[in-house]
Amino acid sequence: EAQVTQNPRYLITVTGKKLTVTCSQNMNHEYMSWYRQDPGLGLRQIYYSMNVEVTDKGDVPEGYKVSRKEKRNFPLILESPSPNQTSLYFCASSLGSRADTQYFGPGTRLTVL
Amino acid sequence: LAKTTQPISMDSYEGQEVNITCSHNNIATNDYITWYQQFPSQGPRFIIQGYKTKVTNEVASLFIPADRKSSTLSLPRVSLSDTAVYYCLVGDRAGNNRKLIWGLGTSLAVNP
Repeated sequence: EAQVTQNPRYLITVTGKKLTVTCSQNMNHEYMSWYRQDPGLGLRQIYYSMNVEVTDKGDVPEGYKVSRKEKRNFPLILESPSPNQTSLYFCASSLGSRADTQYFGPGTRLTVL
Repeated sequence: LAKTTQPISMDSYEGQEVNITCSHNNIATNDYITWYQQFPSQGPRFIIQGYKTKVTNEVASLFIPADRKSSTLSLPRVSLSDTAVYYCLVGDRAGNNRKLIWGLGTSLAVNP
């Protein structure tokens, strides 16, 4: 089944404790991205990747890192999480660009205390 | 920036046709128009995409006038399960770096 998976689905952590949210897609898509969604602010793009080893900042990249060593995986890294990074995070992939049909993962609800 | 404007919310009843209009005055020649549906705590799901005139699939129709400055998503005979947030986006499928802006979408409530 074609899908985007994210892990973990829920995470509660404390300020400053490094964490990684994994994202994987099995559709051989070139384009992958991370979004965060907050009430009243909608979906905002954090980082995106056009292909392996090619990443770029989205609208709200501060406090986040990403890597794209393999085509299927695009982990999101929070080196030193802070409470303002408490949010619902989505990973998405598409065939060639962000304007192509994007397939979203189930979401990761992160709480930073 | 490819900015879109949609109503914040809409109400309907089961069995009615719902039309959600999105304006995108600064749409570029290469931009496509895409609509997504999102249920609470789930990722957005693709509904339909078009470039001009009319596109229809098994769940919706998309009407795009000749000037392409707006588009209308039409949901025939909605049911309670169509209660969701609907997003309209415009973007270049060629993959240039123009930003793709997700607005707040239109929150559709379908009542029994």
